[in-house]
Amino acid sequence: DTEVTQTPKHLVMGMTNKKSLKCEQHMGHRAMYWYKQKAKKPPELMFVYSYEKLSINESVPSRFSPECPNSSLLNLHLHALQPEDSALYLCASSQGPEGGELFFGEGSRLTVL
Amino acid sequence: GQQLNQSPQSMFIQEGEDVSMNCTSSSIFNTWLWYKQEPGEGPVLLIALYKAGELTSNGRLTAQFGITRKDSFLNISASIPSDVGIYFCAGLQGGTSYGKLTFGQGTILTVHP
Repeated sequence: DTEVTQTPKHLVMGMTNKKSLKCEQHMGHRAMYWYKQKAKKPPELMFVYSYEKLSINESVPSRFSPECPNSSLLNLHLHALQPEDSALYLCASSQGPEGGELFFGEGSRLTVL
Repeated sequence: GQQLNQSPQSMFIQEGEDVSMNCTSSSIFNTWLWYKQEPGEGPVLLIALYKAGELTSNGRLTAQFGITRKDSFLNISASIPSDVGIYFCAGLQGGTSYGKLTFGQGTILTVHP
């Protein structure tokens, strides 16, 4: 079983909705990540949080807004998304900001209508 | 950005056969990771490699960190149906790429009973 927990597992939303994806890890890791993945493609990095501070934003549109309330939690707030944003959103964590072994959650499957 | 060339793109094999896949790059990496992803799930870390020349096994899986630090391979011996999935290599560089994994395009493995 993965030690990175993501909720919800599935989400369907309209283009005018506001929703959030949540991620939690209890491994004491100090770096957390959001990735976006399209079918049969590798994950694409969106954001990196290191010691609860945003350290990398891969030029992600502002309709995606990350938040790290504490060292165990990571949220991704969604607003005014487009159908092309439909994808599997993966959360991951690593022991430190230098990366190394990333552990992924099971993902949240997002469909934008 | 950096790219990892992963091959083959797909493999169709009979149960019991051995499998080999590899990743190459024009750049040096400090860490190589191998992940397996099954449909509807997040990537699961199989093996992590940290030293050039390192050879590491995990059950029927064996992976090596190339001497030049620009490549890595993964072997699966005596394949079984549950080996089916997409296998991704991922590399980590230091310096300005701190914390950012570069993924290969994946190898889709199908095992026929």
